Amino acid sequence: AQKITQTQPGMFVQEKEAVTLDCTYDTSDPSYGLFWYKQPSSGEMIFLIYQGSYDQQNATEGRYSLNFQKARKSANLVISASQLGDSAMYFCAMRGYNFNKFYFGSGTKLNVKP
Amino acid sequence: GAVVSQHPSWVICKSGTSVKIECRSLDFQATTMFWYRQFPKQSLMLMATSNEGSKATYEQGVEKDKFLINHASLTLSTLTVTSAHPEDSSFYICSASLGGPGAGIGEQYFGPGTRLTVT
Repeated sequence: AQKITQTQPGMFVQEKEAVTLDCTYDTSDPSYGLFWYKQPSSGEMIFLIYQGSYDQQNATEGRYSLNFQKARKSANLVISASQLGDSAMYFCAMRGYNFNKFYFGSGTKLNVKP
Repeated sequence: GAVVSQHPSWVICKSGTSVKIECRSLDFQATTMFWYRQFPKQSLMLMATSNEGSKATYEQGVEKDKFLINHASLTLSTLTVTSAHPEDSSFYICSASLGGPGAGIGEQYFGPGTRLTVT
């Protein structure tokens, strides 16, 4: 079975602070990819970062980094130096090598306070 | 980068009519396209997966006769909501991917979404 779990429905963070959004997953596929997307109120899905299951290093993209702990099956997103424009819904997603579809978590609503 | 367009961006239709939503990959050929539905403050729900030239694979609980999907070419997939009713009002998002089963873990590129309101 494939499953993505995001346990934080909502998060608040002070501007310029770092924040961690949690994501755990379960899959029977030995090879898989983990993705994070941002969805602002406009509705578009914006790709943030990708981590492959066999990648040795944690992925980083600018202010975004992925804290990948394979043994714990977690793929938390870390946003450093939060900005007001980071306020949005954030979705964790997974795609298995042998499964031709993506599985999404329930999302976390991040609010950045000035 | 890979761009996916969706048309229309919003549509209002009367109950009982049909609505067609187009999803196009503009600068790449998409092996697979996905159709999602999203209700307010909820996650994306996968409706179906379509591969060019073959029938779409629908998720459990999605009525294939109501949500007709046609993936006529490597750059175009369409979703037709037939005999729409107010409960079909939702945000519909398509995505396109370069990867297929066993082809590796490909990124999916999302369209901007279509907001459907059925009155």
